[in-house]
Amino acid sequence: GAGVSQTPSNKVTEKGKYVELRCDPISGHTALYWYRQSLGQGPEFLIYFQGTGAADDSGLPNDRFFAVRPEGSVSTLKIQRTERGDSAVYLCASSLTGLAVGQYFGPGTRLTVT
Amino acid sequence: QKEVEQNSGPLSVPEGAIASLNCTYSDRGSQSFFWYRQYSGKSPELIMFIYSNGDKEDGRFTAQLNKASQYVSLLIRDSQPSDSATYLCAVDAGGTSYGKLTFGQGTILTVHP
Repeated sequence: GAGVSQTPSNKVTEKGKYVELRCDPISGHTALYWYRQSLGQGPEFLIYFQGTGAADDSGLPNDRFFAVRPEGSVSTLKIQRTERGDSAVYLCASSLTGLAVGQYFGPGTRLTVT
Repeated sequence: QKEVEQNSGPLSVPEGAIASLNCTYSDRGSQSFFWYRQYSGKSPELIMFIYSNGDKEDGRFTAQLNKASQYVSLLIRDSQPSDSATYLCAVDAGGTSYGKLTFGQGTILTVHP
């Protein structure tokens, strides 16, 4: 079956612009996670959805970052007033339940802020 | 600050040797431990998970967990060039944050023919 998909695969934007990153989880997976990975580092947790609600958003770095999952499937990560420090690979993962085992990652969106 | 520490390497081993990758974690409440493999330019892929103290074997991979020492390791037997990748250790905080993984920075492994 289809895995986790993310679009776009690459996004280049200018400092100060608004961007949206999309994640389409594996069908039937109730849990969805966003991580951010900078070069040479491990993924850093941003937010976790169980169904439509954000169960844990403690990793969002500031109020410029926001994520939604209105129908409990596709999720969108939104970044306002982008900064060069936001440049990273944004990874989405999903799992059948809220347990970490079986967490499958998408290919990521590489965001570059110029 | 919950931390997961790994030696960034690179770790270089000859083909056929045993590669040993190590990880320590700071949160004694951690319940689940994972090893991910990440090829350059690709996303992480889960290869092993372990919950209980001791060893868990899956093919050429063995995960070892010692909660008292807050230490988890991954052994790769009969290493192959295709095992060359970055290996990420990850810890699940448990409690109400199931699934929220804290990752180490990764260890770069190179297996040379």
